[in-house]
Amino acid sequence: EAQVTQNPRYLITVTGKKLTVTCSQNMNHEYMSWYRQDPGLGLRQIYYSMNVEVTDKGDVPEGYKVSRKEKRNFPLILESPSPNQTSLYFCASSTYQGINEKLFFGSGTQLSVL
Amino acid sequence: TQLLEQSPQFLSIQEGENLTVYCNSSSVFSSLQWYRQEPGEGPVLLVTVVTGGEVKKLKRLTFQFGDARKDSSLHITAAQPGDTGLYLCAGANAGGTSYGKLTFGQGTILTVHP
Repeated sequence: EAQVTQNPRYLITVTGKKLTVTCSQNMNHEYMSWYRQDPGLGLRQIYYSMNVEVTDKGDVPEGYKVSRKEKRNFPLILESPSPNQTSLYFCASSTYQGINEKLFFGSGTQLSVL
Repeated sequence: TQLLEQSPQFLSIQEGENLTVYCNSSSVFSSLQWYRQEPGEGPVLLVTVVTGGEVKKLKRLTFQFGDARKDSSLHITAAQPGDTGLYLCAGANAGGTSYGKLTFGQGTILTVHP
């Protein structure tokens, strides 16, 4: 089954404790991205990757890191989480189809930073 | 920065009623997508509209792209409780390439009561 898998689904942590949210896709997609979703703000892109070893900042990259060492994996790293990073996070992947591009989303990771 | 304004933000209706959700921008988009998100899940693509003035139908859902490709609407006829969810519009930048980088509206939370 084609899917994007995120782990964990729920995470509660404390300020300053480094954490990683994993994301893996099994569709051989070139493009992967991370979004955060906050009430009233919709989805905002954090980072995206066009292929292995190619990453770039989205709209809200501050406080986040990513890496793309393998095509299928795109982990999101919070080196020193802060309470304003409490949010619902989504990983997404796509294969470039121009204007008909379709994003496939994971089920989300609800992060709480105390 | 391109912005997409969705309205209304909340919509609570009775089963059988019709409704329209609007997605507006001052910017031109090469395509406009509509996603539906259920609690605990990621957004799922419903439709992509590409041509100004284009109308697409998906059962009881009708999607329209504005002539100038700056706005879109989603109309649901005879809403059912199963239509309940968060509806998101997302625009791909004019120029044809989004690389998974879409601009999302804030979303419309629809509740259909039996």
